Formats: sequence, structure tokens, C-alpha cells
Amino acid sequence: GAGVSQSPSNKVTEKGKDVELRCDPISGHTALYWYRQSLGQGLEFLIYFQGNSAPDKSGLPSDRFSAERTGGSVSTLTIQRTQQEDSAVYLCASSSRATYNEQFFGPGTRLTVL
Amino acid sequence: SQQGEEDPQALSIQEGENATMNCSYKTSINNLQWYRQNSGRGLVHLILIRSNEREKHSGRLRVTLDTSKKSSSLLITASRAADTASYFCATVRPISNFGNEKLTFGTGTRLTIIP
Repeated sequence: GAGVSQSPSNKVTEKGKDVELRCDPISGHTALYWYRQSLGQGLEFLIYFQGNSAPDKSGLPSDRFSAERTGGSVSTLTIQRTQQEDSAVYLCASSSRATYNEQFFGPGTRLTVL
Repeated sequence: SQQGEEDPQALSIQEGENATMNCSYKTSINNLQWYRQNSGRGLVHLILIRSNEREKHSGRLRVTLDTSKKSSSLLITASRAADTASYFCATVRPISNFGNEKLTFGTGTRLTIIP
């Protein structure tokens, strides 16, 4: 079966523009996570969805960041008025109660803000 | 700040040797996981060890967990060139009643296997 997919794979934008990043989780996975990885760094947790609700938004770095999930499936991470420090790889992961603890990661979206 | 910190930050060894990486963390955990990341395959789950376990094996991987010291180690035996990657530990604390858990990653160990 298909794994987690993300689009676009690469995004170059100008400072101040808005961007939308998309994540398609593995079919049937109820939990969806967004992480950010800056160059040479570990992963930084951003937000977690259980179904369509987001019990934990604690990792969102500012109010310019928002995310939604519809139909318990696809999720969109939106960054408004992008800044150069937003440049990073944005990773999405999903998991199910069956796998319980293992998260399956997508290939990521590399965002570059000029 | 990162919950987990890996040590060393970088490690280079000859193919066939064993590689050991360590991870320390700060708070109580439910379990600890190790992930591998390389450019070809992205981030991949390797092994999970629960807080009531002390050691776990999977193929050439051996993980230990010492909850009293809040530390874990990952041993890769008989290393291969394909093991070249970054290795991250991730600690797990519950964030909901649904059973899905939040991962907090360390900054990783960059392992290079020299052929």
C-alpha cells in the first residue's frame, strides 16, 4: 500500500508570501503529525491531529502557522507571511492505534524562503 | 529544547566494526524509539523499547534502556556501508487518551561507515 505522501516536494517562495503544504497519510491512520527539521538539526514537533481535531498545537512557532485536517485524512499546514527562518524541511507522519507507537514518515517538503 | 540528546554528534568507523550511539533524555517516558534518516529513504523507524524493558534486539541492532539514568544506547553490529545515515532517538510521552503518542526527537548522530 501507499505510504505517507507530501506535496510539493520542494517549494521556493519569497519572504512575505503564504504557503500551503499538504500531507496525505496512510489510509486508515487516525493520527497525523507535523514536524519541522532545520538543516543539520533534529525534528521539531509542530502539531498533532487525532481525526480532525488537534489536541496538541503546542509546537506551532507562531500565529503565522496553522494547520487543518479534513475528513480524518488529508492535512494542510499553512504558513502566512513567510520569513527566512521558516526555511526547513517539513515532515508529516501518521500512525494508527494498531501500530500504536510507530510513526510512518513522508518524504517531506523542503521549503526555502528567499 | 530537545528531549533527547544523542552522543556522539558524529561517528566514523570502518565497515565491519560495531557502532554505538547514546541518547539521554530529561523526563519520564513511556517508551523510546530509534529512527534512521538518509537521503534515499527518508526517516525510518528502527526499533522501540518500552520503559519496562532493559534491552531489545532486532537483527543487527541492539538497544538498551536505563530509566534510572534516563539514557539509551543503540548498537549496530557488523556495520555495512548502507548503515551510513543519521540516527535519532525519540522519546514518547502520552498526549491523548487515544493511544497515539507524541515523539520528541534528539538532534541525531551522523554515522559514516568507511568501506
